[in-house]
Amino acid sequence: EIVLTQSPGTLSLSPGERATLSCRASQSVSSNYLAWYQQKPGQAPRLVIYGASSRATGIPDRFSGSGSGTDFTLTISRLEPEDFAVYYCQQYGSSPLTFGGGTKVEIK
Amino acid sequence: QVQLQESGPGLVKPSETLSLTCAVSGYSISSGYYWGWIRQPPGKGLEWIGSIYHSGSTYYNPSLKSRVTISVDTSKNQFSLKLSSVTAGDTAMYYCARQFRVEANPGRCDYWGQGTLVTVSS
Repeated sequence: EIVLTQSPGTLSLSPGERATLSCRASQSVSSNYLAWYQQKPGQAPRLVIYGASSRATGIPDRFSGSGSGTDFTLTISRLEPEDFAVYYCQQYGSSPLTFGGGTKVEIK
Repeated sequence: QVQLQESGPGLVKPSETLSLTCAVSGYSISSGYYWGWIRQPPGKGLEWIGSIYHSGSTYYNPSLKSRVTISVDTSKNQFSLKLSSVTAGDTAMYYCARQFRVEANPGRCDYWGQGTLVTVSS
């Protein structure tokens, strides 16, 4: 089973700042099958990035994903008020599908 | 617009079987994609439970495999989850989701239900 470790646990930033979230895998993620989800309180997760770097439908271009192998990054170039949420990475390159523990992006 | 809606009891007694159904609208299950279940204990992270293809082929998380059954009813355009011998540790928000088929396996989730909270308690 691939274990995904997200860091930091919490990121305290102000609107307009840049957010950099990390997801590290315990072994290489096949074909970079790595997704990022955004979850707000009381809501289901929302797909943000798939294939490590492709934006999902309707996701603004301030969101970008990068990385390969075992190290992946989600970057939000300029935080908007609606971006404050918890973000999870997920690998779907091998079974079982696994999620990271999440990074909370909170308003400073 | 694809929509998924979970339904089922919100309270289940320990040692009993949790049963949930996910009704899909706006898309025919028979047309493709995997259909999966993911859960989230209160205040914690996400855990994949398992997925089913419209043909009936299934993938389960090994940590739950001995207790999980996922089935599909294409005539009703819905799929279901059964989790047996539940304990308090199975208390969670249960989500159903549509998953892309990636190299014949379940992949990323693009549409999610709103989730249903299931509490295991006597």
